[in-house]
Amino acid sequence: AQTVTQSQPEMSVQEAETVTLSCTYDTSESDYYLFWYKQPPSRQMILVIRQEAYKQQNATENRFSVNFQKAAKSFSLKISDSQLGDAAMYFCAYRVNAGNNRKLIWGLGTSLAVNP
Amino acid sequence: NAGVTQTPKFRILKIGQSMTLQCTQDMNHNYMYWYRQDPGMGLKLIYYSVGAGITDKGEVPNGYNVSRSTTEDFPLRLELAAPSQTSVYFCASSYSTAGAEQFFGPGTRLTVL
Repeated sequence: AQTVTQSQPEMSVQEAETVTLSCTYDTSESDYYLFWYKQPPSRQMILVIRQEAYKQQNATENRFSVNFQKAAKSFSLKISDSQLGDAAMYFCAYRVNAGNNRKLIWGLGTSLAVNP
Repeated sequence: NAGVTQTPKFRILKIGQSMTLQCTQDMNHNYMYWYRQDPGMGLKLIYYSVGAGITDKGEVPNGYNVSRSTTEDFPLRLELAAPSQTSVYFCASSYSTAGAEQFFGPGTRLTVL
């Protein structure tokens, strides 16, 4: 079964510091996508970053980057220069690239607090 | 673009009542989804649709029904509401490519008493 595990229910970081959120997944597929979504207190889910399994280069989006280790099935999110607005729940998600299946498998989330 | 809109934002139901959660998107996305999010948990897929007239069950479909008569609308029907259906419900939509971002609505907070 395909599963996504986020082992850190809560994390905290000082403003302007760097924090890394962990995500591991279990799959027998070789072609898939991985995503990090952010859910601030407003509840609106927002895509932070995505990674295609066939791309060796780690994805980056401004202050957000990932460390994708395909063999280890690990997909961690690094937030640099943390800002107060980064405080949110962060969800890791997986989707296999096969047929019409566009269902996302979600982790349980990591709550990130940013301390001023 | 309004994106994905959901109504209502909040609702309280009594046990056994029925209601429909509305979802509309204006991005011409083929794929639409309904999720529920229980406190402290991730998202669980209730139903999804790959186009008008086509729907399929997700992980937790029991107690719910959907229809997709147009590309834009994907309503979720709760029949005979139960306390276990107390949750926040999110509608989302996306293009059909595997790496496509899912765009989410603001959610509906439903309480069943």
